[in-house]
Amino acid sequence: DARVTQTPRHKVTEMGQEVTMRCQPILGHNTVFWYRQTMMQGLELLAYFRNRAPLDDSGMPKDRFSAEMPDATLATLKIQPSEPRDSAVYFCASGFWTGPGAGELFFGEGSRLTVL
Amino acid sequence: KNEVEQSPQNLTAQEGEFITINCSYSVGISALHWLQQHPGGGIVSLFMLSSGKKKHGRLIATINIQEKHSSLHITASHPRDSAVYICAIYPNKLVFGAGTILRVKS
Repeated sequence: DARVTQTPRHKVTEMGQEVTMRCQPILGHNTVFWYRQTMMQGLELLAYFRNRAPLDDSGMPKDRFSAEMPDATLATLKIQPSEPRDSAVYFCASGFWTGPGAGELFFGEGSRLTVL
Repeated sequence: KNEVEQSPQNLTAQEGEFITINCSYSVGISALHWLQQHPGGGIVSLFMLSSGKKKHGRLIATINIQEKHSSLHITASHPRDSAVYICAIYPNKLVFGAGTILRVKS
């Protein structure tokens, strides 16, 4: 079964530490998304890539967050330095999207981050 | 005003009941997604709609582009349908509703 794989599944860290989350999209998918989910805000789009190029990262705090796709099989989301308010579940999703329209979405199981 | 509004926020039903969850939005879209999130946290895409109606098992999703409204129906509901159902619209990027928490009691 093809699926989106995220690591780590759980991460507890102290404020100020660097956190890197990784996502392996489904092979052949050309669009990769990073979302964050909190109780207060629900699901929020942080960034997304089409054919590895960043299309939108307006939802991401630029001073501490960065998202990259070093190759088609890996997307990374980095937080440096981390803060307690970054505690959330971070989801990666991928799909094969063409043109201006949307396509199906396949979500990873999420990375639960706790910043103490 | 949020671009996506879901109703109800919470819904409790008895097993076997017909359930409707509504999603209204305020901008032009090219697609709308219905997502399901179980208590364990994983998110599954149920439907992607750009017009009309789609059916998968006991789930039916409809969309009216002119009225900017979509509904998700569950027929013969079952306790395993208990989850959060999230509507997401795609104007030029995904915008999520707050979700509807559904609990189906046996």
